[in-house]
Amino acid sequence: EAQVTQNPRYLITVTGKKLTVTCSQNMNHEYMSWYRQDPGLGLRQIYYSMNVEVTDKGDVPEGYKVSRKEKRNFPLILESPSPNQTSLYFCASSSLGHEQFFGPGTRLTVL
Amino acid sequence: GQQLNQSPQSMFIQEGEDVSMNCTSSSIFNTWLWYKQDPGEGPVLLIALYKAGELTSNGRLTAQFGITRKDSFLNISASIPSDVGIYFCAGPLWGNTPLVFGKGTRLSVIA
Repeated sequence: EAQVTQNPRYLITVTGKKLTVTCSQNMNHEYMSWYRQDPGLGLRQIYYSMNVEVTDKGDVPEGYKVSRKEKRNFPLILESPSPNQTSLYFCASSSLGHEQFFGPGTRLTVL
Repeated sequence: GQQLNQSPQSMFIQEGEDVSMNCTSSSIFNTWLWYKQDPGEGPVLLIALYKAGELTSNGRLTAQFGITRKDSFLNISASIPSDVGIYFCAGPLWGNTPLVFGKGTRLSVIA
């Protein structure tokens, strides 16, 4: 089944404790992206990647890192999480950067 | 970054009613996408539009690509409870660039 998977689905952590949210797709898509969704603000792009070893900042990259060492994986790294990074995070992928397929979401709470 | 303006922000309608929502931009888009997000899930693509003036249907959903290429409309006929969710418009500013998303229209259906 074609899908985008994210792990974990839910995470509660404390300020400053490094964490990684994994994202994997099995559709051989070149393009992958991370968004955060907050009430009243819609979907805001954090980082995106057009292909392996190619990553670019989105609209809200501060406090986040990504890597794209393999085509199928695009992990999101929070080196020192802060409470303002409490949010719902979505990973997405596509073959052309247009019709993106979204993962199920990761709900992160930073205390 | 570039904004897509969606209206209305939210709607409460009776089951069986028709629904209209729209998305506008100050920039020209060559592709318009409509996504739906069910509560607790990631957005799912409903309809994709690629040509100015194009009218496309998917069941009870109909979307149109505005002639000016600066707007798009989504209509839902005879709404049912499972239509509840957030509807997002999206599009790439040009070429294969990352998608820009509207802030969404939250639809509630009263049985």
